[in-house]
Amino acid sequence: DAEITQSPRHKITETGRQVTLACHQTWNHNNMFWYRQDLGHGLRLIHYSYGVHDTNKGEVSDGYSVSRSNTEDLPLTLESAASSQTSVYFCASSAPGTGNTGELFFGEGSRLTVL
Amino acid sequence: AQTVTQSQPEMSVQEAETVTLSCTYDTSESDYYLFWYKQPPSRQMILVIRQEAYKQQNATENRFSVNFQKAAKSFSLKISDSQLGDAAMYFCAWGGTSYGKLTFGQGTILTVHP
Repeated sequence: DAEITQSPRHKITETGRQVTLACHQTWNHNNMFWYRQDLGHGLRLIHYSYGVHDTNKGEVSDGYSVSRSNTEDLPLTLESAASSQTSVYFCASSAPGTGNTGELFFGEGSRLTVL
Repeated sequence: AQTVTQSQPEMSVQEAETVTLSCTYDTSESDYYLFWYKQPPSRQMILVIRQEAYKQQNATENRFSVNFQKAAKSFSLKISDSQLGDAAMYFCAWGGTSYGKLTFGQGTILTVHP
């Protein structure tokens, strides 16, 4: 079955370190997204991509970057981790084009703690 | 920019009873989708129900139904015959023609009492 996987599921890091969260999907979806979930804010969009070599900033992109070198992967990098980036991160994908339902398919989330 | 507001941070219901979760949104677009996602303690995001804005008929999925009021920009979720397994965080979300770029509400924590 097609799926979307994130790794690591849990990570603790220190302020100032670079962190990369991996996301891999086997749906063959062109659209991929990174959200962060914080209490009281719901899920907020960090970055998204509509295809290989395409990346776009979401509403909370400061301090984060992504790259899309193939269809399956969209890694999220925190260049210099800050305590404000302690959160749960979700990767998601969706299929574009006519007939699309608009539905997102989510990974299981990655909990990141920055000390 | 679109906004989605869930004004009920927490709700509770007795098992077998009915509960309604509220959601309002703001958009200038005429073509869009609305969603309710469920997030149990496992953290997995599960699609509960979806509504296309051009459809006047309210979506229904078994015990879950919505009341979609396009003019009022309201999209509430009704859960009938509540079960213990319904206990979760529920998120309302709006999606435009840029598929997958969803805007989420703050979430409502639903507790189901036996």
